[in-house]
Amino acid sequence: GDSVTQTEGLVTLTKGLPVMLNCTYQTTYSPFLFWYVQHLNEAPKLLLKSSTDNKRTEHQGFYATLHKSSSSFHLQKSSVQLSDSALYFCALRPLSGSFNKLTFGAGTRLAVCP
Amino acid sequence: EAAVTQSPRNKVAVTGGKVTLSCNQTNNHNNMYWYRQDTGHGLRLIHYSYGAGSTEKGDIPDGYKASRPSQENFSLILELATPSQTSVYFCASGDARTGGARDTQYFGPGTRLLVL
Repeated sequence: GDSVTQTEGLVTLTKGLPVMLNCTYQTTYSPFLFWYVQHLNEAPKLLLKSSTDNKRTEHQGFYATLHKSSSSFHLQKSSVQLSDSALYFCALRPLSGSFNKLTFGAGTRLAVCP
Repeated sequence: EAAVTQSPRNKVAVTGGKVTLSCNQTNNHNNMYWYRQDTGHGLRLIHYSYGAGSTEKGDIPDGYKASRPSQENFSLILELATPSQTSVYFCASGDARTGGARDTQYFGPGTRLLVL
């Protein structure tokens, strides 16, 4: 079946430093990848998404590139802010023509320190 | 922005009791979903629906039922609640079509359930 792996449970960084949150996936279909962000006591919200191979997608200073050759969709930001502290989920939707069903990774908590 | 609401926001239940979690969306989306969120597991799909009258099993349906009486409402039912069902439950809605903004799922604020 489909799966998403996020290797880091917690990433702690000082404000202003770059960050990369890892996401790899497995599916037998063409993939559509998403990053959702969840701030404390809030609902998850879409951060960015892509189904285009080797094309960088950006939103709110974050960016990611889908690499089908390595089954990866890592999330990056060049300079983190205190407000970026949140839980980040990578999610996969196989473009099989069937129901719009997402498979989520376990999530990575990003903690940004002053 | 799309609107999804959930009630109650917090619930304490006793083992063996019946619990109903409600979700309402005003987005006119065909698809609705119920997830539970547990540390280390991310969001796991319990049940989903294509539209009014339909319910389908997700990845972890055991111990849960769902009901979709209308386009706007989708309920999750725990007939015999157990402590292992203590979790945070999220409802979401999404467009059945694909492409552009229609691929996004919109989440409600969540319900925190404690089963004693």
